[in-house]
Formats: sequence, C-alpha cells, structure tokens
Amino acid sequence: DVVMTQSPLSLPVSLGQPASISCRSSQSLVHSDGNTYLTWFQQRPGQSPRRLIYKVSNRDSGVPDRFSGSGSGTDFTLKISRVEAEDVGVYYCMQGLNWPLTFGQGTKLEIK
Amino acid sequence: EVQLVESGGGLVQPGGSLRLSCAASGFTFSTFWMTWVRQAPGKGLEWVASIKQDGTDKKYVDSVKARFTISRDNAKNSLYLQMDSLSAEDTAVYYCARNGRVDSWGQGTLVTVSS
Repeated sequence: DVVMTQSPLSLPVSLGQPASISCRSSQSLVHSDGNTYLTWFQQRPGQSPRRLIYKVSNRDSGVPDRFSGSGSGTDFTLKISRVEAEDVGVYYCMQGLNWPLTFGQGTKLEIK
Repeated sequence: EVQLVESGGGLVQPGGSLRLSCAASGFTFSTFWMTWVRQAPGKGLEWVASIKQDGTDKKYVDSVKARFTISRDNAKNSLYLQMDSLSAEDTAVYYCARNGRVDSWGQGTLVTVSS
C-alpha cells in the first residue's frame, strides 16, 4: 500500500499569515498516463470533506486562489497564502494512483 | 449541482448487518466510479470500497473484504454498501463519494456498532 505522511499534524497560524502543509508518499504518484494523482481535501469542523486541489495543483471551482498545491513524484505541498478564519479545519492529502486509495493522517489548522 | 445523500446508518449489535444507501443526483451517475469512505469518531479518513460504472469491478480495503459488499443500481442512481459481521472497529461516519479518485462527498451517515 502507498503510505501518505503529512507534516505537521498540528498547525497554529495567525490570521493573515501563510501556512504550508507537506505530504510525502512512499512511492511515486506518477501514473502511466502522465498525470500525478495527488489530491487535497479540507474538512471544516462538523462538515464533510471538500476537495480543494486535484492532480497536485488544480484548484476546484469555488476554491479561493489563496490555496495552491505544488510538488512532484513523492513530495507535495499545500500552501495557503494568507490564512482566514474560515480555513480552520483538518486538511488531508490522498493518493489516487493505486488501490487501496490512501489518505494522510490529517493536519489540523487552527488560529493562533 | 452534485448531490449525494446517504441513509441507512444506525445502531447495530456486534456481528450484525446493515445496508447503507446513497442517492445521487445532479450528474450522470452511470458514468462515474463510486466510492465509500469512512471516518471513525475523532479519526482520519479511510477508503472502504469503490465500484466501476457498470458494477463489473469492485475494490475493497483489506479490513472489510468478505464482510462488506458494494453495489449500485444505475437505473435508480443509487449506491449501496452491505455490511455484515460488524464489529466495534466499523463504527464510523460513512461517506458516499463520487469518482474512484473522490471529488464530491455526501454528508455522511453514522454507523455505531455496540451492544
């Protein structure tokens, strides 16, 4: 199974400051079709997860442009340029290359 | 707008069975893989199972193989998860999700396994 490792697991950030979450996979997530199947989800308190970013860096419709994804191979990053109060929640990365699909442990973002 | 509405959760005794349903709307259901993901209380996300568009290919996480069965009815735009031999470790919110790689999520249904 592909192991997804996120860091940090807890991320206190002041409003207006940037935030960065790392996600590493135990093997390359590059598919034979040329795509890299790394997805980021946000789960606000008491809500279902919501997809933010797919295929490393593609933002979903309605996702603010302060969210960005980058990386390649086995090393990926989700960045928030300026944290807002509504960004509080848990962020998960997920690999969609191989079965079983696997998620990172989650990173809890809170306002400092 | 994509809508996924789960139902069928509840309290069940260890060793019991439960069938979850997911009603899909807002997209052409028959053209997408569909997926179940669960989240134990206070824990992270765990992929459970996925099913191909025509139902001919099904994937399961090892911990539920031979106990859970994923199925679908494209005529009814519905996804199902039959869960047998339930144990306390299966207690979780179960989410229905669109696509094998998961893009849209339902609101979830809580399954509690307890005596």
